[in-house]
Amino acid sequence: GAGVSQTPSNKVTEKGKYVELRCDPISGHTALYWYRQSLGQGPEFLIYFQGTGAADDSGLPNDRFFAVRPEGSVSTLKIQRTERGDSAVYLCASSPQQLDTQYFGPGTRLTVL
Amino acid sequence: GQQVMQIPQYQHVQEGEDFTTYCNSSTTLSNIQWYKQRPGGHPVFLIQLVKSGEVKKQKRLTFQFGEAKKNSSLHITATQTTDVGTYFCAGPSDNNNDMRFGAGTRLTVKP
Repeated sequence: GAGVSQTPSNKVTEKGKYVELRCDPISGHTALYWYRQSLGQGPEFLIYFQGTGAADDSGLPNDRFFAVRPEGSVSTLKIQRTERGDSAVYLCASSPQQLDTQYFGPGTRLTVL
Repeated sequence: GQQVMQIPQYQHVQEGEDFTTYCNSSTTLSNIQWYKQRPGGHPVFLIQLVKSGEVKKQKRLTFQFGEAKKNSSLHITATQTTDVGTYFCAGPSDNNNDMRFGAGTRLTVKP
């Protein structure tokens, strides 16, 4: 079946702009995670959804970052007033249930100029 | 939140040599997961360990969970060039909501 998909695969933007990153999880997976990965680092937890609700958003670095999952399936990570330090690969993963195997998408490479 | 620490950060081996990476936590973990990320790719799930002292094998890969459930190891016997990548362990967060990843061990294999 289809895996986790993320769009766009690459996004180049200018400092101060707004960006949206989309994640389509595996159908039926209730848990969805967003991570940020910088070169040579492990995935850094951002936010976790169980169904439609954000069960844990403690990893969001500041209030410029926001994520939604309105119907419990597709999720969008939104970044306002982007900064050069936001440049990274943003990974999305889904799981059949909490703390289960995570299936990662290919990621979106965000570059802020 | 909870942190899992991995060592070493890098490991370079000759093809055919063995490789081991270690994952340590200051707190007891209910479970631990291992992932592999190939260069330019995304993390791919390898295995989950749940029981104290558990040992699981996948061909040349041996995974172990410590008796105290605070550490884990991944051992690869007779490495091949296809083993190249970064190996991550992940353990539950303090609130047990989600998994937190270690910094990974990057393995390179010289043919």
